[in-house]
Amino acid sequence: GENVEQHPSTLSVQEGDSAVIKCTYSDSASNYFPWYKQELGKGPQLIIDIRSNVGEKKDQRIAVTLNKTAKHFSLHITETQPEDSAVYFCAASYSGGNNRLAFGKGNQVVVIP
Amino acid sequence: GAVVSQHPSWVICKSGTSVKIECRSLDFQATTMFWYRQFPKQSLMLMATSNEGSKATYEQGVEKDKFLINHASLTLSTLTVTSAHPEDSSFYICSARDSSGIYEQYFGPGTRLTVT
Repeated sequence: GENVEQHPSTLSVQEGDSAVIKCTYSDSASNYFPWYKQELGKGPQLIIDIRSNVGEKKDQRIAVTLNKTAKHFSLHITETQPEDSAVYFCAASYSGGNNRLAFGKGNQVVVIP
Repeated sequence: GAVVSQHPSWVICKSGTSVKIECRSLDFQATTMFWYRQFPKQSLMLMATSNEGSKATYEQGVEKDKFLINHASLTLSTLTVTSAHPEDSSFYICSARDSSGIYEQYFGPGTRLTVT
């Protein structure tokens, strides 16, 4: 099955700085890579996603890059704000089997005002 | 758009009783829904995939007789935890995939289950 690794586990940044979270995946057949933001006691919220036929996608302060050859993808948050503090999960969806998602272990991002 | 609700948001039950959790897609139809379990400070663990009108597919190690899943309509899936024990206490989260899409999953707010 698919194995998703996520680094670092914890990231602290000064407000206004950029944050980068990296994930690697094992199954070269994986073709969809979403990122979720989860606040304490709530369900995950889809913030951005990318498909395997695209190398980069941007939505305001958030961007995701994908390197299929190296099998890794990254989340970039620019101009971080205190409300960006949360746990971020990357995931990979593989075709077949209802396109289930394999999740990374999560990354706690703390934005210091 | 793409709103998923869960009910109840939290529940406390006694050991040995059963608890039903509902997952609804409010503004889209969902042929496929997923049920996850999450322990504190851990990632989401997929329990089962629920397809409308057919039997759920359970992940390895998940007891299908203990976690009963019913996906009777395109907007509703239910998870029933039978004969609950304290070790079943967890955060249960569902997600739904829009029938018009292929990949995107939208998550509900979760249900906190505490078994005493």
